[in-house]
Amino acid sequence: IAGITQAPTSQILAAGRRMTLRCTQDMRHNAMYWYRQDLGLGLRLIHYSNTAGTTGKGEVPDGYSVSRANTDDFPLTLASAVPSQTSVYFCASSKGTASSYNEQFFGPGTRLTVL
Amino acid sequence: AQTVTQSQPEMSVQEAETVTLSCTYDTSENNYYLFWYKQPPSRQMILVIRQEAYKQQNATENRFSVNFQKAAKSFSLKISDSQLGDTAMYFCAFMKDTGRRALTFGSGTRLQVQP
Repeated sequence: IAGITQAPTSQILAAGRRMTLRCTQDMRHNAMYWYRQDLGLGLRLIHYSNTAGTTGKGEVPDGYSVSRANTDDFPLTLASAVPSQTSVYFCASSKGTASSYNEQFFGPGTRLTVL
Repeated sequence: AQTVTQSQPEMSVQEAETVTLSCTYDTSENNYYLFWYKQPPSRQMILVIRQEAYKQQNATENRFSVNFQKAAKSFSLKISDSQLGDTAMYFCAFMKDTGRRALTFGSGTRLQVQP
């Protein structure tokens, strides 16, 4: 079934550890996004990529890095996790064409707890 | 920068009744899209309805309709004939029509449909 997959589904992580959240889409979408969801704050954009090889910073990029080596994958890395990064992380993708509306499709999310 | 405000953290409605969720936004853009997303306990983000800012006619999807007031920057969601399956978090979201087409979300409204 076409769509977006995220791994892991959930993770408990010790502070200071490095962690990579994986995101893969098989829809050949150009644009991909990482959001974090926190209670009372909705979803906030961490990083995005308009096309393979390019990335950009969102609202809350500090402590996170991304790469976009190919169209399908968009991993999010926490170099040294801190408790404030405890959150639910959503990956999303869209066709990314400039001339029309592009619906964003969301992955199932990763619940990350940093202790 | 855009902001989206949902002033109702929680709402409750009786099954088969009608409920309206409020959303206001702030932007200097003239062309944009507005959305309502539903997030049930499964955590999946589900697009409920979308509105293009250049369209005066309010969008409708079955039991879901919006009241879009562009001058007032207001975008409310009306759910008619509420069903138990409508119980979820509802997020209002904004997307520019140019540049980075990421979503800006409100903080969400938790809707409980009572039997």
